[in-house]
Order: sequence, then structure tokens, then C-alpha cells
Amino acid sequence: GENVEQHPSTLSVQEGDSAVIKCTYSDSASNYFPWYKQELGKGPQLIIDIRSNVGEKKDQRIAVTLNKTAKHFSLHITETQPEDSAVYFCAASKGAGGTSYGKLTFGQGTILTVHP
Amino acid sequence: DTEVTQTPKHLVMGMTNKKSLKCEQHMGHRAMYWYKQKAKKPPELMFVYSYEKLSINESVPSRFSPECPNSSLLNLHLHALQPEDSALYLCASSQENKPSGEQYFGPGTRLTVT
Repeated sequence: GENVEQHPSTLSVQEGDSAVIKCTYSDSASNYFPWYKQELGKGPQLIIDIRSNVGEKKDQRIAVTLNKTAKHFSLHITETQPEDSAVYFCAASKGAGGTSYGKLTFGQGTILTVHP
Repeated sequence: DTEVTQTPKHLVMGMTNKKSLKCEQHMGHRAMYWYKQKAKKPPELMFVYSYEKLSINESVPSRFSPECPNSSLLNLHLHALQPEDSALYLCASSQENKPSGEQYFGPGTRLTVT
């Protein structure tokens, strides 16, 4: 089955700096890569995703890049703010032929702390 | 609107109790999921319902019993739980015909088994 590794496990930055979180996956058939942000006491929130036919996607201060050959993808947050502090999870999924649902395999998570 | 709601927010139950967790979405999604999340760990998939039919059971013990009464509702019935079942239980949903589609999570139910 799919295996997703995520690094680093913790990341501490100063407000205004950039933060980068990296994930690698094992199954070359995976074709969908979402990133979730989970704040304390809340459920995971989908913040950005990328599909295998795209190399990069950007939404304001966050961007995701995908390298299919190397089987890795990364989350980039620019101009970090204290409210970006949370746990971030990457995930990978592949279409299960003939089904209408996806099975996500999550990375272990990164605790991001942004210091004012 | 990408809201998934879950009730209750918190639940404390004894090992002999029977309780139920509820999840609701009004996005027209036809796939719904139950996940279990332990502290500082990623969510672990428990069950998937597709078009109100159970499609995946990730070898979950029978003391957890899912139910999908209609396309908007998902329940998780709990009976004879163990203290190690204490966790955050998350519900999620995704759009039909998108096998690699976005999953939207609810806020979770924090379950404590005493």
C-alpha cells in the first residue's frame, strides 16, 4: 500500500519568514495530494491540493509543488503569521477505479509554530 | 458551503455504555467517512460509505457499528468500548464521482472512555 513520509516533524519560524514542509510518497499511481491544516481542538481543514497533471499550484500565501518523477511534494507558506501555527498534514490518494470515494494516506504531520 | 457538522462535541462514556456519534452534511456529497485520531497522530480511516452503502471497513472492531440512514447523515454506534478507544472521532465527506476528490472534515467528537 501507499506510504507517505513527512518532514520535518516540527518547524519553528519567525513571523514573516517562509516555511516549507516536504512529503514523499511510495505509490506511483497516486494522483491527488491534499494538504490539511489542523488547529487545536478542530478538525483538519483542506487548505490546498494538487493533482498529478499539475506541477505547481498557488493560493495567496500558500503554494504546493509536485515532482512526480521523484515522488515528492511540498507545501510552501510565505510571509508567515502567528495564525498559521497549527499541525499540517500532507496526504496522497489514487482513484479507485469505479468507485466514488478516495482513500487518503496521511503523513505523520508537522507542528508549525510561528513566533511573533 | 463546505460544512460538516458533528455531535456531540465531547462524550464521556463507561465501558458498559451504548452511545452514538452523529455526522451531517448538506453539500450533496455521496461519500462519507469515519476516522479515528489519537493525539499527535494523523487521522486513521475506519469506514467509508458510498451512496449509503458500506464500501470500506478497515478491520474495525465490532464494538464500533456505522450506519448511514440517508445521504446526509452518518452515525457511529458505540458499545462496550475500551479505554484505548478514547480519541477524536472525525467525520468527512466528499463529492461523488471524484475518486481522488477533496474530503471535508467535521470538527470531531472528543471521546473519553472511562
